[in-house]
Amino acid sequence: NAGVTQTPKFQVLKTGQSMTLQCAQDMNHNSMYWYRQDPGMGLRLIYYSASEGTTDKGEVPNGYNVSRLNKREFSLRLESAAPSQTSVYFCASSAGGNQPQHFGDGTRLSIL
Amino acid sequence: QKEVEQNSGPLSVPEGAIASLNCTYSDRGSQSFFWYRQYSGKSPELIMSIYSNGDKEDGRFTAQLNKASQYVSLLIRDSQPSDSATYLCAVPNSGAGSYQLTFGKGTKLSVIP
Repeated sequence: NAGVTQTPKFQVLKTGQSMTLQCAQDMNHNSMYWYRQDPGMGLRLIYYSASEGTTDKGEVPNGYNVSRLNKREFSLRLESAAPSQTSVYFCASSAGGNQPQHFGDGTRLSIL
Repeated sequence: QKEVEQNSGPLSVPEGAIASLNCTYSDRGSQSFFWYRQYSGKSPELIMSIYSNGDKEDGRFTAQLNKASQYVSLLIRDSQPSDSATYLCAVPNSGAGSYQLTFGKGTKLSVIP
């Protein structure tokens, strides 16, 4: 059972470079999420997609864009990476409403 | 602003003891509550869901919910060194923001052999 799959698992970028983090889920979930997790800061929501065709900003959206490609896939793009975006990024999915979220394994991103 | 508060710990318990993790939340309209376990360097893993007042037991884990006091707890019986992790409490936002979870910052548990 794959659940939520994130690629890549690790990435090192230089300041100013761009990249896209990929996320796919096979649980037929309506809602998908992108978080970042930094030491002492907990999980912070970047963007979410309540359903296919919709996206909304979370707590820390600046410097990021997202695309809900279809029901399965939700990508996160850094257009011009900054050192402050060094973090661990988690994608999650949920059936929606009051249901729990299920997380992928994460992407460890370092920006030099 | 929805808030979920947890003691950051670390909480240290001896092997075989009961570990008690606590969480308070501000959103009175919340209807469901989740506990996640996160090992160092890994992603959060759902371990318990609770939707109504009272206790819910699953193996060595018991979740307790008191909506009147806006309090949810997780008890781990017969704690094992493999239970050493950070435990996150998560509460769905009620109303218009109901697609989002508010996470506590987590309590770090250390089980001493």
